[in-house]
Amino acid sequence: QKEVEQNSGPLSVPEGAIASLNCTYSDRGSQSFFWYRQYSGKSPELIMFIYSNGDKEDGRFTAQLNKASQYVSLLIRDSQPSDSATYLCAPIGGNNRLAFGKGNQVVVIP
Amino acid sequence: DGGITQSPKYLFRKEGQNVTLSCEQNLNHDAMYWYRQDPGQGLRLIYYSQIVNDFQKGDIAEGYSVSREKKESFPLTVTSAQKNPTAFYLCASSDAGGPRTDTQYFGPGTRLTVL
Repeated sequence: QKEVEQNSGPLSVPEGAIASLNCTYSDRGSQSFFWYRQYSGKSPELIMFIYSNGDKEDGRFTAQLNKASQYVSLLIRDSQPSDSATYLCAPIGGNNRLAFGKGNQVVVIP
Repeated sequence: DGGITQSPKYLFRKEGQNVTLSCEQNLNHDAMYWYRQDPGQGLRLIYYSQIVNDFQKGDIAEGYSVSREKKESFPLTVTSAQKNPTAFYLCASSDAGGPRTDTQYFGPGTRLTVL
């Protein structure tokens, strides 16, 4: 079983719609969960992190965490063409190290 | 300007050569990391250091070496023993505050190509 699973997509969404990205993880010792955005050919940049069950909102982004189901998601509201990128889910595992998924590729169609 | 710098941006290596990738940070972070990214793949941890003069192997350390003589610097050497070194190399740093606050920030990366 892979440590972090993401549907690599691509996920195509119309401009202005909601993009929903999902991530499951296997390490039950994971405490914090990070979402990074990576444009093609560039390095990852932090969008947000979450460590409590429930929702956390930051601007157009909402992270949702369900530790019992080992599931974390990212919603992007009012999607813009500039949101077209790959989104990396990264839990901090029980070994205190980040584990990265392959990413969810998002394409926002104008 | 606070941040992480990596150099060079692009690097070409002949087979059998060792090359060293530079990573410098002025964020006063204790921890530094090296990752490798291959096309369509997630980031894989090569080495990390949580304090000066100490470092640990990550998941794919074979063929790589590092040093941490200064808090600001964490150079990575790709040796000739690394069989498939062509990849995008990313350096990151964090303040190692603990699992709930240990946010890693990334440098711009070095793209290494073996000729």
